[in-house]
Amino acid sequence: NAGVTQTPKFRILKIGQSMTLQCTQDMNHNYMYWYRQDPGMGLKLIYYSVGAGITDKGEVPNGYNVSRSTTEDFPLRLELAAPSQTSVYFCASSYTQGHREFGEGSWLTVV
Amino acid sequence: DAKTTQPNSMESNEEEPVHLPCNHSTISGTDYIHWYRQLPSQGPEYVIHGLTSNVNNRMASLAIAEDRKSSTLILHRATLRDAAVYYCILLLSGGYNKLIFGAGTRLAVHP
Repeated sequence: NAGVTQTPKFRILKIGQSMTLQCTQDMNHNYMYWYRQDPGMGLKLIYYSVGAGITDKGEVPNGYNVSRSTTEDFPLRLELAAPSQTSVYFCASSYTQGHREFGEGSWLTVV
Repeated sequence: DAKTTQPNSMESNEEEPVHLPCNHSTISGTDYIHWYRQLPSQGPEYVIHGLTSNVNNRMASLAIAEDRKSSTLILHRATLRDAAVYYCILLLSGGYNKLIFGAGTRLAVHP
């Protein structure tokens, strides 16, 4: 099973550039989430979605946008990248309020 | 929001049992107790969860205090692969978006 797949795994961005982190799940989960993890810290929720066409903000949404056009895909868009967005990004999915399945992470550096 | 308190770090020897404590004195009656772990450079991995009764699965056991103000994750025989950061998290009732990660407990396993 592929589970939750994130791309790219590593990326270096220049300040002010934009990019999209892709996330796909093949488990037919209705809920999907984006987290970021700064060094030595726990995960912080950026955005989540309870189903196609529905998204909502988490703890730290500023500087990010998401969309959910299909059940499988939940891309995270970074507009005007800033050094503060240097982090590891994790996508996750779940059935309703069940446990989360996480992807392997995307390491992003903004220079 | 209800919070959890865990020791920053613990150590164990291989093949010995490990008891990882978690305090959640402000837990609400319908909050589930979830445990995840994160191996180095990987996404978090679900371990176990429970509400009131003790729970067992192939990975671990979860012992929940009668007053639910604390819980203990039990690894029956630690292996080197169990070296990870373990997160005790409360899934707040009605809060599918509120899986709040703290700093967790870093478990070191010695051969």
